[in-house]
Amino acid sequence: GIQVEQSPPDLILQEGANSTLRCNFSDSVNNLQWFHQNPWGQLINLFYIPSGTKQNGRLSATTVATERYSLLYISSSQTTDSGVYFCAVVFGGATNKLIFGTGTLLAVQP
Amino acid sequence: NAGVTQTPKFQVLKTGQSMTLQCAQDMNHNSMYWYRQDPGMGLRLIYYSASEGTTDKGEVPNGYNVSRLNKREFSLRLESAAPSQTSVYFCASSEWTGFAGKEETQYFGPGTRLLVL
Repeated sequence: GIQVEQSPPDLILQEGANSTLRCNFSDSVNNLQWFHQNPWGQLINLFYIPSGTKQNGRLSATTVATERYSLLYISSSQTTDSGVYFCAVVFGGATNKLIFGTGTLLAVQP
Repeated sequence: NAGVTQTPKFQVLKTGQSMTLQCAQDMNHNSMYWYRQDPGMGLRLIYYSASEGTTDKGEVPNGYNVSRLNKREFSLRLESAAPSQTSVYFCASSEWTGFAGKEETQYFGPGTRLLVL
């Protein structure tokens, strides 16, 4: 069936370290978004990236649609980066129904 | 420009009670969505509305009804709440037009935490 898998499930970093989060999906996608859910529960849009590479400050993302995966890079991590990172996709067809992965829980320690 | 707003922020219900969660967006978006998030999980789509006057089921629609009141507002109703509906509910909106290739980011509200006893 349709699947969105994220790895690793949990990650603990020291402040200043870099990390790579991965999202694998089981079919071609029309839409792929990365979100950060902060400790207060707010979902923050990071990237809309069904293909290609984008960068925003210390964060960047790459989606290789033909190989069905996306990567989120966090460089020089800060304690405010802590929270859960979700990948969500829309599979092919005339819909915009997001399917979420189970997330990566990131804890950045000072 | 408030984006997506939701009311209430918190609610406690007894089993069998009814309530309506309200959502409004001021971005002139066509599409609106309701999701639920259970502990330790990602969000799952309950219902969505691709445009004013239309609604459609998502992954987990049972026990819910929705109303797209106008372009700005999309409400979610629990007619007879059950403990299994204890969750955090998120509303979202997007400019989705149904045409492939257009950037169609979904923007989320702050969520409503619902506890059903």
